[in-house]
Amino acid sequence: AQTVTQSQPEMSVQEAETVTLSCTYDTSESDYYLFWYKQPPSRQMILVIRQEAYKQQNATENRFSVNFQKAAKSFSLKISDSQLGDAAMYFCAYRSGFDSSASGSRLTFGEGTQLTVNP
Amino acid sequence: GAVVSQHPSRVICKSGTSVKIECRSLDFQATTMFWYRQFPKQSLMLMATSNEGSKATYEQGVEKDKFLINHASLTLSTLTVTSAHPEDSSFYICSARGWDKNGYTFGSGTRLTVV
Repeated sequence: AQTVTQSQPEMSVQEAETVTLSCTYDTSESDYYLFWYKQPPSRQMILVIRQEAYKQQNATENRFSVNFQKAAKSFSLKISDSQLGDAAMYFCAYRSGFDSSASGSRLTFGEGTQLTVNP
Repeated sequence: GAVVSQHPSRVICKSGTSVKIECRSLDFQATTMFWYRQFPKQSLMLMATSNEGSKATYEQGVEKDKFLINHASLTLSTLTVTSAHPEDSSFYICSARGWDKNGYTFGSGTRLTVV
C-alpha cells in the first residue's frame, strides 16, 4: 500500500519570506499523481498544485512550486513571498495512475503540516 | 469551477438518532464520491468510495451498517450515520470526482456532534 509522510507537524514563516514543506511517499508504482492541498480554518480543502509523475518538470502555480524528486520519492512544496492568507494546514496526497489498481482512484493523504505566517 | 455543496454544515443530534449528510455536485457529474472523516488537527481518513449506481466500497474498520452511503445519481450522494453515538462526533467531508480523473472537488464539510 502507498504511504505519504509529512515529517513537519508545524512550520512557521515570516510574511514575505519563503518556506518549504516536506513530503515523502512510498510506492512501487511507476505511474501516479501527487497533490498539495490547503485546508484553512474554514476547513474547505483547496487544491494548491498537482504533479504528474511522468513529467520531469516541476509544477508551479504563481507563488507555489514543487520540488519533485522521483528517485528519492520526495515532493516538497515551496511557498514564496508568504502571505497571511497562506496560513493553513497543508496536506500532501498521492493517487495511483491506475484506477483499476488496489488503491483505485482514492487519494492517500499525509498527516499534514500546520503552517503559521507571522506578520 | 467545479463546486460541491455539502449540507448541513453543522448538526447536533441526540444519541441513538440518525443523521443524513448530503453532497451535491452543482455543475458537473460526479462519477465517484469519496467520504472522509477528520478529527481535529488530523488528516482525512477515507471511509468509503462510491460510484454512481453501485454499492459503496468501505475501508477496513468502517461499519457498513452504521455509515450508509447512497450514490443514486451523478449529482447527489448521501451519508447517513445511523444510531449515532458520541464517538461518531467528528468532521465529515465528501469529495467528488467527475470525468477529469485528477479533479477532486471537496465539499465544505459537516461538523457532527452527538450528545
